[in-house]
Amino acid sequence: DADVTQTPRNRITKTGKRIMLECSQTKGHDRMYWYRQDPGLGLRLIYYSFDVKDINKGEISDGYSVSRQAQAKFSLSLESAIPNQTALYFCATSDFGQGATGELFFGEGSRLTVL
Amino acid sequence: DAKTTQPTSMDCAEGRAANLPCNHSTISGNEYVYWYRQIHSQGPQYIIHGLKNNETNEMASLIITEDRKSSTLILPHATLRDTAVYYCIVRVRWSNFGNEKLTFGTGTRLTIIP
Repeated sequence: DADVTQTPRNRITKTGKRIMLECSQTKGHDRMYWYRQDPGLGLRLIYYSFDVKDINKGEISDGYSVSRQAQAKFSLSLESAIPNQTALYFCATSDFGQGATGELFFGEGSRLTVL
Repeated sequence: DAKTTQPTSMDCAEGRAANLPCNHSTISGNEYVYWYRQIHSQGPQYIIHGLKNNETNEMASLIITEDRKSSTLILPHATLRDTAVYYCIVRVRWSNFGNEKLTFGTGTRLTIIP
C-alpha cells in the first residue's frame, strides 16, 4: 500500500457542488500539505498543517478549506466548486526536527474536473 | 524560499549522462537544494538534496558550486524511464516559523531519446 493515499483519484462534478478530497498517510509524519497543479505549471501550495491543531494558508487558499481530522488524515474541501478549480491535486507529508531530511512524500494525485 | 531558474526542456540520449542545471543566486546560508521529478502526472518523487557539498545516491549526483548560486543534477546513465519533469527547489530543511511555502516552479522537461 502507498504511504500517502488520496481519494478519489478522479472526480467529475458540476459547478456549485461541494467536493471533498481525502488524504491519509502511514508515514507517521506530523506535517501535511495540499498542492494544486495546473497543466504546464508547477505545484502551488493551497494549505498546510504542522500538526492536528495547526492549519495554515498557502499561496492559493481562496475557495478551499481543510480539516485535519487526525495525524494521519488531512482533507481538502471545495465548498462550491467552480470550473477554474479543475486541476490535479496532490497531498504530501514531511518530517521535521533533528535529523529530518525535509523530503516531501507525495500521494498519487486526485484529478478534479468541474463542469 | 529562494527562487530557482531552470531550462524549460532538455533532451538526452539513452545511456548518456543527463546534466540538469539550476540557478539559485539568492539562496540563503541555511537553505538546501532539493531535486524532485514528476513522471507524467504521478506524484513528484524526491531524488536528492544537498547544502554545499556534492552528494550522490543510487539515483543521481548533485553538484553545487562553491558560491552555492547554482547546481547541477546528474543522472549518470539515463534510461527511457528517466523521462520526466525535474524540479529544483531551495528551502530550509524544516522550520517552525510558518514559512513552509514549498512552491515548485515549472521545472525542466527531460526527454530521453532512444
